[in-house]
Amino acid sequence: DSGVTQTPKHLITATGQRVTLRCSPRSGDLSVYWYQQSLDQGLQFLIHYYNGEERAKGNILERFSAQQFPDLHSELNLSSLELGDSALYFCASSVDRGNYGYTFGSGTRLTVV
Amino acid sequence: DAKTTQPPSMDCAEGRAANLPCNHSTISGNEYVYWYRQIHSQGPQYIIHGLKNNETNEMASLIITEDRKSSTLILPHATLRDTAVYYCIVSGNTDKLIFGTGTRLQVFP
Repeated sequence: DSGVTQTPKHLITATGQRVTLRCSPRSGDLSVYWYQQSLDQGLQFLIHYYNGEERAKGNILERFSAQQFPDLHSELNLSSLELGDSALYFCASSVDRGNYGYTFGSGTRLTVV
Repeated sequence: DAKTTQPPSMDCAEGRAANLPCNHSTISGNEYVYWYRQIHSQGPQYIIHGLKNNETNEMASLIITEDRKSSTLILPHATLRDTAVYYCIVSGNTDKLIFGTGTRLQVFP
């Protein structure tokens, strides 16, 4: 157990739907990062929040949004889902801005049918 | 961030040292070398990082050449559980670490 908790572990939904993925960082960690891993794209950086503020953004689709709440947990919202959004979504956390490494959760496997 | 080049795959016998190379010839002075690994669809795991000095921890050693243009991750006594994809990342901005395709290490009995 890495200390980073992601829920749900598995999610199956239909095209056009909206889902929310949740991440609780390790105790004391202020940064949360989201990554998407699909078979043909590898690990893709989506977004980074530090203590509630957005710090960096990757190639995150406009249909996707994220936020970090005052208790430091984060949610990734995916809307108007397409088949191509099927992937593993990982959350990671770090105590600061990641200079000493990220700790990843076990991921949420999203299947869009 | 500097581009890295890693061999797509490597094999290693169990109990032997696994030496994973990484080329980063365009690295700049403020960029660190990070190593992560991912075991079969699990979340990536941080291994080690360094700037210019060699580093060692309980998992591995990192050897960085004097010109910093390449590095080697060493797993001193590889086990079957070390079979994974190993990512070498060079970055001066840890607000977003960009993963490449890595090296798939297969440890065999």
